[in-house]
Amino acid sequence: DGGITQSPKYLFRKEGQNVTLSCEQNLNHDAMYWYRQDPGQGLRLIYYSQIVNDFQKGDIAEGYSVSREKKESFPLTVTSAQKNPTAFYLCASSPIPGLAVNEQFFGPGTRLTVL
Amino acid sequence: AQRVTQPEKLLSVFKGAPVELKCNYSYSGSPELFWYVQYSRQRLQLLLRHISRESIKGFTADLNKGETSFHLKKPFAQEEDSAMYYCALRSNYQLIWGAGTKLIIKP
Repeated sequence: DGGITQSPKYLFRKEGQNVTLSCEQNLNHDAMYWYRQDPGQGLRLIYYSQIVNDFQKGDIAEGYSVSREKKESFPLTVTSAQKNPTAFYLCASSPIPGLAVNEQFFGPGTRLTVL
Repeated sequence: AQRVTQPEKLLSVFKGAPVELKCNYSYSGSPELFWYVQYSRQRLQLLLRHISRESIKGFTADLNKGETSFHLKKPFAQEEDSAMYYCALRSNYQLIWGAGTKLIIKP
């Protein structure tokens, strides 16, 4: 199905390597988000972007980087500086950032494991 | 500090019994709250939002500012309600999430 796609579904990385997670949406949404989900915890915001060529740090941005060169794409790079990168990563988008009634639409997620 | 607390990690009830999933929040200002649900092998999706005062799949949630709560309720649980439920609070352009409650409906 369309909407938001994330790839790959599973990703394995060796320590010290950077890795990039893909997130694409065809919903024409302005805002996009990256979350990290760990067992027993809620979603924690890594980065978000309200418009092309602009993005802001979330609560746990250290060790991550993003870009927003196109409206439909918001890739996340997990760098070697991220101390505990093994987690489930969720990408989301919403139509207009900050609008009260907006819901966020989620991708299927990428499970990253550092070996 | 803004926070969302879901005190129950796991809630197990029998089919046909009432369900209440608890959510408490901490927020200075007028809160905007949501319930999201993730069924097995499906994506996280919006269930309902307090601003709409709607009932979705038999679930309702009332914002209680005095108790700073937004509990999710359903009078008669069904097996298909088994899922992971997350309460979320809007703060500027972000959503602040609770840790989630796993709901299991026993036949």
